[in-house]
Amino acid sequence: AQSVSQHNHHVILSEAASLELGCNYSYGGTVNLFWYVQYPGQHLQLLLKYFSGDPLVKGIKGFEAEFIKSKFSFNLRKPSVQWSDTAEYFCAGRKTSYDKVIFGPGTSLSVIP
Amino acid sequence: GAVVSQHPSRVICKSGTSVKIECRSLDFQATTMFWYRQFPKQSLMLMATSNEGSKATYEQGVEKDKFLINHASLTLSTLTVTSAHPEDSSFYICSARDVFPGETQYFGPGTRLLVL
Repeated sequence: AQSVSQHNHHVILSEAASLELGCNYSYGGTVNLFWYVQYPGQHLQLLLKYFSGDPLVKGIKGFEAEFIKSKFSFNLRKPSVQWSDTAEYFCAGRKTSYDKVIFGPGTSLSVIP
Repeated sequence: GAVVSQHPSRVICKSGTSVKIECRSLDFQATTMFWYRQFPKQSLMLMATSNEGSKATYEQGVEKDKFLINHASLTLSTLTVTSAHPEDSSFYICSARDVFPGETQYFGPGTRLLVL
């Protein structure tokens, strides 16, 4: 079955620290991958997405992610986090644009001022 | 960008009653809509995939008689939680996909259901 896993359940960082959240998917072949963020009390927002092309994807708010096909990974990175980045982060994927999006379990990020 | 709305945003109901949640795509046509459920501090779990004009496809373990889905038009899908019980209390999120392939799924703001 298709699945998306995230390495970290809860990450705590100080402001200005670098961030990397792990994500792995179980699909082979074509894949669409996403990172979503959910701020406390708010709905999901798309940070970035990968469909094809350049495996290094830049998103909003200074986030980027790298698609590494050989490792089935799509890790999210940010060089310097801010307190306002405190949120829940979800990696998600689907086989093709016609398929359903499956979400990973989420990683809770807490940034300490 | 595309907008998906949900109504109501919050609902409190008594056990045994039914609740209808609407999901609308506001500036695009969605042949496919998805319904997710999110428990506190957990991820989104796909409940069902709804295709306009046809029956919804439910994920394993989701009771189709309890969670009725209707996708009557290209801009509206409804989820009805029938005979709701306290364990149905959750955050229900819909998502809509544009008719054109390659599009991202756009998510609604969610509906928080509390069953007393």
